[in-house]
Amino acid sequence: NAGVTQTPKFRVLKTGQSMTLLCAQDMNHEYMYWYRQDPGMGLRLIHYSVGEGTTAKGEVPDGYNVSRLKKQNFLLGLESAAPSQTSVYFCASSKAGTSGTYNEQFFGPGTRLTVL
Amino acid sequence: AQRVTQPEKLLSVFKGAPVELKCNYSYSGSPELFWYVQYSRQRLQLLLRHISRESIKGFTADLNKGETSFHLKKPFAQEEDSAMYYCALRVKGNTGKLIFGQGTTLQVKP
Repeated sequence: NAGVTQTPKFRVLKTGQSMTLLCAQDMNHEYMYWYRQDPGMGLRLIHYSVGEGTTAKGEVPDGYNVSRLKKQNFLLGLESAAPSQTSVYFCASSKAGTSGTYNEQFFGPGTRLTVL
Repeated sequence: AQRVTQPEKLLSVFKGAPVELKCNYSYSGSPELFWYVQYSRQRLQLLLRHISRESIKGFTADLNKGETSFHLKKPFAQEEDSAMYYCALRVKGNTGKLIFGQGTTLQVKP
């Protein structure tokens, strides 16, 4: 099993360009998440999904859109990239849980994005 | 408001010295707390969770509700412990969402 994979690993964009980051998981997980990691800020949740066809905003959703058309894939889009979106992006997935249980999040290797 | 604070960006110790990575949280109700670790060139992974009360790789963490803390401790640091450590708090509800602290880089010198 590959676990959680992310495509691409690195990308450089110019301000105003658009791109899509792909996250794929082969663990049949219900929940998927997109985070960004910035120095001194930790990991911040951008968007998340609790199932195919559903998405929701996280802590820092502005400037990003997501789609979960297939259970195994979670796409993160930047419509008009800005230098403030220079970051390392992590995708994660987990099994569905109830209020009384927690299921570990499994992370992808990350995508390093630079916006010039 | 739900919040996790890790006050130290960098903690540098010598091999064999005790380690304590600080984590404080703000949460109403019964918190669920975790430590995640990211070794160099590896993925972020779960280290331990407070409900398990386990010791992983010699690390332990005790939830102190009075001080709203969940500090990570190890009596004798090893060079392979050098990594970025994140404290995380589970958000209420059935989404599995976590709130992460700012992260602390642990550097263990030989």
